[in-house]
This record gives sequence, structure tokens and C-alpha cells, in this order.
Amino acid sequence: EAGVTQFPSHSVIEKGQTVTLRCDPISGHDNLYWYRRVMGKEIKFLLHFVKESKQDESGMPNNRFLAERTGGTYSTLKVQPAELEDSGVYFCASSQDGGRHNEQFFGPGTRLTVL
Amino acid sequence: AQSVSQHNHHVILSEAASLELGCNYSYGGTVNLFWYVQYPGQHLQLLLKYFSGDPLVKGIKGFEAEFIKSKFSFNLRKPSVQWSDTAEYFCAVSRSNTGKLIFGQGTTLQVKP
Repeated sequence: EAGVTQFPSHSVIEKGQTVTLRCDPISGHDNLYWYRRVMGKEIKFLLHFVKESKQDESGMPNNRFLAERTGGTYSTLKVQPAELEDSGVYFCASSQDGGRHNEQFFGPGTRLTVL
Repeated sequence: AQSVSQHNHHVILSEAASLELGCNYSYGGTVNLFWYVQYPGQHLQLLLKYFSGDPLVKGIKGFEAEFIKSKFSFNLRKPSVQWSDTAEYFCAVSRSNTGKLIFGQGTTLQVKP
């Protein structure tokens, strides 16, 4: 069974540019989560999809971040325009069940560097 | 503020030494608890989890953790570490219906051969 995949693995962009990160969850997993780890800090929740619907987007930093999951399969996270403080590792995770009891499977992450 | 705290940011041990990594959380009510590990160059993977029942939970690779409700703690232990346990370890809590995880800062473990 293929795991969670993320693309690209690394992205280096300049301040003000746009970047789109992609996450492909494990097939059949309705729940998809985005997290971010800024250097030296903890991994922080960004948002949660159930199929194509945003269930919880309380962790999204501001309106420069836009997440979509059209069709309930893969998800994209777009940052526009990127700022220096957006640098970090963006993780995607998926799970079959939602709620407190779910086990989330993580992707390898996308390391974003904004110069 | 409600949070998850890991006591040690960086731990260095020799092979065969015993390991205990501390984790405390500050949420009341029912919580689910997790330890994740990230080996060098690999993705985060689940070591063990606690949902209910026996507070002593056994995970993969000889790891275990004990949930002590009165202390709001979920410490990770291993009796004898190996060089291959070198990794970063994350404690996490889930308490909402969405299942979002709240992570501690992470502890980097370096095991010297």
C-alpha cells in the first residue's frame, strides 16, 4: 500500500512569489490534515479536510494560505504571496477515521524556503 | 495556554542505556496520546498510542509509555537503546472531534555506539 506522498520535497522561492504544495493521501482515507513546522518550533496543525470539505481550518495563519481538496482525493496548499516567516516544513497526514481515535499517517514533508 | 511540553530538547545516550523522555500536557478532560518518531531522512511514524484502558502502552521497537492521568504525563521509555534509535521523538495529544494533533517541541535522541 502506497503511503502519503508530497510534492515537491523542497521548494526555494523568493518573497512575494507563489508556491503550491501537493499532498496525495493514502487511497481510501477521507481525512486529510496539513501541519507545519517552523524551524526550532513544534509541529503545528493548519487544517483538516473530510473528503472535499474543510472540517477545521483554525490553524491557518492568514489569508495568504489557501488549501483545496477538489474531488476529495489529493490536496493542494497554496501560499500567495509568500513571506519569509512561511519558511518551514509542511507535513500532510491522512487517516481513515476522524475524531480523537484516528491514527494519522504522515508524508515526508515539503521543505519550503522563502528568501 | 494549553500545550504539550517535552522536557528535553536533546538527549545523548550510549548504547544499552535506558531511556525516558518526558511529556506533559495541560488539557483537561479526555485526551488521546501519541508518540511519533522521525528517523533521519524518513517521515514521521507512529510509535505508540493511548486511547483508553491499560495506562501502560507498548509500541513498536521495544518502546512503551505510561499514561499518568493525575500528573498529566505520558512519558516514553525504553530499557536499552540502540544506535538505530537515533531520531527525533514527538509527543502529541488529540482532544477534539476533528482529531487534530497538538505536538510537543520534539526531543532529538542521539545514541552513541
